[in-house]
Amino acid sequence: DTAVSQTPKYLVTQMGNDKSIKCEQNLGHDTMYWYKQDSKKFLKIMFSYNNKELIINETVPNRFSPKSPDKAHLNLHINSLELGDSAVYFCASSQGSGGAFFGQGTRLTVV
Amino acid sequence: GDSVTQMEGPVTLSEEAFLTINCTYTATGYPSLFWYVQYPGEGLQLLLKATKADDKGSNKGFEATYRKETTSFHLEKGSVQVSDSAVYFCALRGGYGGATNKLIFGTGTLLAVQP
Repeated sequence: DTAVSQTPKYLVTQMGNDKSIKCEQNLGHDTMYWYKQDSKKFLKIMFSYNNKELIINETVPNRFSPKSPDKAHLNLHINSLELGDSAVYFCASSQGSGGAFFGQGTRLTVV
Repeated sequence: GDSVTQMEGPVTLSEEAFLTINCTYTATGYPSLFWYVQYPGEGLQLLLKATKADDKGSNKGFEATYRKETTSFHLEKGSVQVSDSAVYFCALRGGYGGATNKLIFGTGTLLAVQP
């Protein structure tokens, strides 16, 4: 069983389009995250939810909107995609002070 | 703010060599410290962790000791294998390590092990 699964794995889209990435965790964790990894492998947190409540919201363009329908799901919707949004987006979950478990990533390419 | 600094790569070693990847941190409170590994085309996997000073995390032959006096959490392995080739990330969860604290990553160190 996959602990943290995100879909799609690859996403190629044109500038200006709107797209969503979905994430689900079956670990029973209370906290979920979205991270962005750039071409140099640098990881930056974007958002974090704890029990469906937004607790971390980094300086991210408001074109990015997370949604957590329940504590097992955290989706990321991106409006008006730009070339600079091309990256790998990782969903993760954790419980308490433990380490985070990551999904396989979604490679977004904006052309 | 909290931060993690790790040595730049790539680190290139021959099989069975000794590995050290340096990691230092800046944080308030009593952070939890982690090492993650990312194999090509995959997500990050938690390798080991330590939650308080002098704790030693270990897994798959890798070890790291939480040193509060030197604010360090260096990753070591006595004998690397080709299969250890990956990017290694040092990370901390700041404050008192609670869920509301961010998990902050270093820039990653690419390890390449040659047969």
